[in-house]
Amino acid sequence: NAGVTQTPKFQVLKTGQSMTLQCAQDMNHNSMYWYRQDPGMGLRLIYYSASEGTTDKGEVPNGYNVSRLNKREFSLRLESAAPSQTSVYFCASRTSGRDEQYFGPGTRLTVT
Amino acid sequence: RKEVEQDPGPFNVPEGATVAFNCTYSNSASQSFFWYRQDCRKEPKLLMSVYSSGNEDGRFTAQLNRASQYISLLIRDSKLSDSATYLCVVNLGGATNKLIFGTGTLLAVQP
Repeated sequence: NAGVTQTPKFQVLKTGQSMTLQCAQDMNHNSMYWYRQDPGMGLRLIYYSASEGTTDKGEVPNGYNVSRLNKREFSLRLESAAPSQTSVYFCASRTSGRDEQYFGPGTRLTVT
Repeated sequence: RKEVEQDPGPFNVPEGATVAFNCTYSNSASQSFFWYRQDCRKEPKLLMSVYSSGNEDGRFTAQLNRASQYISLLIRDSKLSDSATYLCVVNLGGATNKLIFGTGTLLAVQP
């Protein structure tokens, strides 16, 4: 039982490049989330998926898109990376009926 | 005003000390409360949920005061391995189950 996994662990992009961050969970959780964490700020919600087939914007969705591919997988796409998107990105999941979320190990993204 | 406010620290304490962290939240409709622990360059991990009656897990005690919108975490007999950032987290509930994170309090336990 790996929990929540994320790939890649590290990535460097040039401004304007695109990439997709992958997230998968093997806990049969219904809800999945993408956060970013920046120095001096709490984790901020980018997008979430309450259940398979649904996605909704969080607090900071601009510049990102998501896909809930199936119950296990929830990907985050940067279509045209900007230096302001340099951050650590965490994926999380939650099971129905419980409030706590479980996090993946994170992706450290640098945009130059 | 931030939705969840914490003292960023750092709290530098000797091994064996008792240390307390406080947190305030602004949304009175908040439904559930947590402390997460985050080690350097790692993901946040759930430390404990916080209940109105207060709850204890070994050396850790969490308290919630809904009237004052205040959450606390007490760590007794600090260990070197307790060194980490402690995140106060509030759940607004509803369909989103949106978690609001504080910026964290850094604890450094010294030998």
